[in-house]
Amino acid sequence: RKEVEQDPGPFNVPEGATVAFNCTYSNSASQSFFWYRQDCRKEPKLLMSVYSSGNEDGRFTAQLNRASQYISLLIRDSKLSDSATYLCVVGYTGRRALTFGSGTRLQVQP
Amino acid sequence: GAVVSQHPSWVICKSGTSVKIECRSLDFQATTMFWYRQFPKQSLMLMATSNEGSKATYEQGVEKDKFLINHASLTLSTLTVTSAHPEDSSFYICSARNPGLAGGLSDTQYFGPGTRLTVL
Repeated sequence: RKEVEQDPGPFNVPEGATVAFNCTYSNSASQSFFWYRQDCRKEPKLLMSVYSSGNEDGRFTAQLNRASQYISLLIRDSKLSDSATYLCVVGYTGRRALTFGSGTRLQVQP
Repeated sequence: GAVVSQHPSWVICKSGTSVKIECRSLDFQATTMFWYRQFPKQSLMLMATSNEGSKATYEQGVEKDKFLINHASLTLSTLTVTSAHPEDSSFYICSARNPGLAGGLSDTQYFGPGTRLTVL
């Protein structure tokens, strides 16, 4: 079983749609959680950290459920520029590197 | 945000040659840098953790004699792919943790733009 699992997609949605991604992690010792965005042939870029209380940044809302060990990302009012691969990323106690999910591909269509 | 650079951004080489990739933190000192590899349509996979002034820590299955890592200063880590073969063709990405921004064991990491290696 992978440490961090995501639905690879692709999710094809029209502009203006609301789309949600989920991610599950297997290690209960996980300490920090992030969503990164990766465009084709580019490096990952931090989209937002995910906090236990949930957090929002503009059109993006992240939620963490420690009991069920899953993380979600909600994108409202999708834009064409949101088309990318979204990576769920987890950090573990005692391990300074991050563990990446394989990513969920989003394609926003006009 | 913090800036991490990588050089070269792409390289094409013949099988059997060695390729050196540089990773630099431009506006902060990074005691720890990480090297990842990403094959097409796959996730980033950690190869090794590069520690300034000490030996790198390699992930299971990564050959330390093939992927040489040197972290000679607080702003530079290098990855050398020795005797490269076509199966080493991949996207190599480094990242650096900026301890000045936040504490904790696993903080925000800043990624370099990556190096695309193609071995013929």
